[in-house]
Amino acid sequence: DIVMTQSPLSLPVTPGEPASISCRSSQSLLHSDGFNYLDWYLQKPGQSPQLLMYLGSNRASGVPDRFSGSGSGTDFTLKISRVEAEDVGVYYCMQALQTQYTFGQGTRLDIK
Amino acid sequence: EVQLVQSGVEVKKPGESLKISCKASGYSFTAYWIGWVRQMPGKGLEWMGIIFPGDSDTRYNPSLQGQVTISADKSISAAYLQWSSLKASDTGIYYCARGNRGLGVPYWGQGTLVTVSS
Repeated sequence: DIVMTQSPLSLPVTPGEPASISCRSSQSLLHSDGFNYLDWYLQKPGQSPQLLMYLGSNRASGVPDRFSGSGSGTDFTLKISRVEAEDVGVYYCMQALQTQYTFGQGTRLDIK
Repeated sequence: EVQLVQSGVEVKKPGESLKISCKASGYSFTAYWIGWVRQMPGKGLEWMGIIFPGDSDTRYNPSLQGQVTISADKSISAAYLQWSSLKASDTGIYYCARGNRGLGVPYWGQGTLVTVSS
């Protein structure tokens, strides 16, 4: 199994300030097709997870452009340029390189 | 519009069997895999496995293989997660989700809460 490790696990942020979450995989997620099979999800309180980013840096439909993803191989980052109150929840990275998909532990973002 | 609608809340006793469902609509059911994700109380997300409804090819999380069965019925566009003998540790919320050919997992069901308690 590919193990996904996120940091930090808790992230208090002041509205309007930036935020950054790191995700590291135990194996490279770079496929021979040139894409990194790394997704980001947000689970808002009491809701199902929602897709934010796929293939490392592609925003899903409807995701605000204050969210961005970067990285390659084993190291990835999700950045929020200016945190808003609606961004509260738990952020998960997930590897999609192997069909035995695995999530990171989750990073809880809340508002200071 | 793609929709995944899951069956309702379940309260069961240890040792009982259970089958929960995920009814898909708005797309060709056999064209994309459907998977199941577990979330134990207060914990993170864990993939249980996926099924390709076209040929019923199923891939399980090795740590869970043998504990659950994933199946699909093409005739009614439904996927299932089944236990033959529940344990208290099976308590949690179970989400079904649909893949998108390597472009993330954009579609999720609303979740089914399963409580196993004597």
